[in-house]
Amino acid sequence: NAGVTQTPKFQVLKTGQSMTLQCAQDMNHEYMSWYRQDPGMGLRLIHYSVGAGITDQGEVPNGYNVSRSTTEDFPLRLLSAAPSQTSVYFCASSPGQDPDYGYTFGSGTRLTVV
Amino acid sequence: GENVEQHPSTLSVQEGDSAVIKCTYSDSASNYFPWYKQELGKRPQLIIDIRSNVGEKKDQRIAVTLNKTAKHFSLHITETQPEDSAVYFCAADGGYQKVTFGTGTKLQVIP
Repeated sequence: NAGVTQTPKFQVLKTGQSMTLQCAQDMNHEYMSWYRQDPGMGLRLIHYSVGAGITDQGEVPNGYNVSRSTTEDFPLRLLSAAPSQTSVYFCASSPGQDPDYGYTFGSGTRLTVV
Repeated sequence: GENVEQHPSTLSVQEGDSAVIKCTYSDSASNYFPWYKQELGKRPQLIIDIRSNVGEKKDQRIAVTLNKTAKHFSLHITETQPEDSAVYFCAADGGYQKVTFGTGTKLQVIP
């Protein structure tokens, strides 16, 4: 099992550019989420999915889109990058509905928008 | 929505001493409380968790306590070692992706 795989690990974007952060898991987890981590602010939920074809907004969704066409993949799209989106992004997955499982996190993507 | 407060934001202890990190939550519907450890430049990793029907759970040098009435839970690390140095996050989970994280505690264990 590779667990949760994120690519790329590092990315520099210019303001206004778009890009997609990739996330894939091979544990057959139903739930997948995207978080951003900023100094002093912990982990904030951007978007999440409770299964293929189902997505919803988290705490800080503006400027990001997601889709979940398969159980394995959950890409995060930045539509028009802004300096405020400079952050470390983590994808996470968990097995299912019961809140008795912790997350498995990917290794993160460090994004800088200039 | 849920609000999770975590204290302290930084904590320095001598090797061998104990460390305690405290969190409070606001939503009584939260019923699962995981703790994550994040080493510098790495991903958060689950280290221990507790369910709402349990008051205390131990795993070697790590323990977590939960007081549902007061809506607070704590992480206790005994006999701290340099490799315990990291950022620790608490979280409150109400199920169905309703997970809220605390802002983190940076623990430094001084040899």
